[in-house]
Amino acid sequence: SQKIEQNSEALNIQEGKTATLTCNYTNYSPAYLQWYRQDPGRGPVFLLLIRENEKEKRKERLKVTFDTTLKQSLFHITASQPADSATYLCALRRGSQGNLIFGKGTKLSVKP
Amino acid sequence: AAGVIQSPRHLIKEKRETATLKCYPIPRHDTVYWYQQGPGQDPQFLISFYEKMQSDKGSIPDRFSAQQFSDYHSELNMSSLELGDSALYFCASSPPQRGGYNEQFFGPGTRLTVL
Repeated sequence: SQKIEQNSEALNIQEGKTATLTCNYTNYSPAYLQWYRQDPGRGPVFLLLIRENEKEKRKERLKVTFDTTLKQSLFHITASQPADSATYLCALRRGSQGNLIFGKGTKLSVKP
Repeated sequence: AAGVIQSPRHLIKEKRETATLKCYPIPRHDTVYWYQQGPGQDPQFLISFYEKMQSDKGSIPDRFSAQQFSDYHSELNMSSLELGDSALYFCASSPPQRGGYNEQFFGPGTRLTVL
């Protein structure tokens, strides 16, 4: 079955630097991959979706890459701010109906 | 903009009791998903409904059941509660499929504590 690994449980960086989070999957290449942000005690919030035929996607300070050869997605936050501190979850579609498998998440802390 | 509404936000129950969680999806969204998130864990898919019909089932215990009503709201019924059922329960909805690629919009969650 499909498994997702987010390599870092926690990532601490200085404000203004670029945060890079990694998501690896183990089985078949999904049609698309999604990234969500989750704050403590709150529901995940959708950030970006990248399709298998896309190499890169950008949204404001966010950038996602998707390498189906490496079975890996990278999530970048440029010019990071303390307000970016949260847990970031990588997700793949589990079934034909769109329900998701999530990675364990990476907790990002941006220090001023 | 309207968001997914869940009620109650917090629920405390005793072991072996029953709980009902409610979800009101975003208007015109046709798919509802339920997820369970234990402390420090990632969300685990339980069950989903498309146009009021069950569309997929994940790791949902037999003690749990769910349905979607004619007004599209959904309820998750949990019986014979166990201590291990204590978790955050999220409902999510998604709009009609656009080429099969859809983000999900999550509600604020219901925190269930079983004593």
